[in-house]
Amino acid sequence: ETGVTQTPRHLVMGMTNKKSLKCEQHLGHNAMYWYKQSAKKPLELMFVYNFKEQTENNSVPSRFSPECPNSSHLFLHLHTLQPEDSALYLCASSQDDEGDTQYFGPGTRLTVL
Amino acid sequence: QKEVEQDPGPLSVPEGAIVSLNCTYSNSAFQYFMWYRQYSRKGPELLMYTYSSGNKEDGRFTAQVDKSSKYISLFIRDSQPSDSATYLCVTASGSARQLTFGSGTQLTVLP
Repeated sequence: ETGVTQTPRHLVMGMTNKKSLKCEQHLGHNAMYWYKQSAKKPLELMFVYNFKEQTENNSVPSRFSPECPNSSHLFLHLHTLQPEDSALYLCASSQDDEGDTQYFGPGTRLTVL
Repeated sequence: QKEVEQDPGPLSVPEGAIVSLNCTYSNSAFQYFMWYRQYSRKGPELLMYTYSSGNKEDGRFTAQVDKSSKYISLFIRDSQPSDSATYLCVTASGSARQLTFGSGTQLTVLP
């Protein structure tokens, strides 16, 4: 595996379900990010982790819960989501959170019914 | 007002055409300017990066920044069908935590 991988690639869930998105980076980076991409809208930064510590929470609702057990793995735990949370969720990594170049995974297409 | 404005398109051009993609931004603190390309069903990938006014060329791609007018452009020469993607204009004031994305311009190059 190279670059940034994300699983699953597609997820359909009900509003009462609990699910998790997984991201793994194979680039030796120390910073990881979660973004939300909705149709026709700019990418919205959700969370930033640097050396496993959360350094940014962009006023994200508590139904989204991130977890970063180490610098290579990032999770986004989902519970009691709303239909408006349906979007493409992108993970990215960079050398650290002061660098400018981010490398993105392919995303998880989430549909909330 | 959005911090980074992009014409969403869609833009369709014939193969071989010169493509011009444009962005405007409002925050004078932005110092770094990037173009990301996003193919369908893929994540964005960095295409061009610059931190000063002027032109930067990489093969068929030229990025142009005019800080005085807060205007960013990407030119694609001899466009190919493989250039069909959404192009995201991105700015940063200094930290990767502070990337600001435009909403993207969808480009289709017709064979």
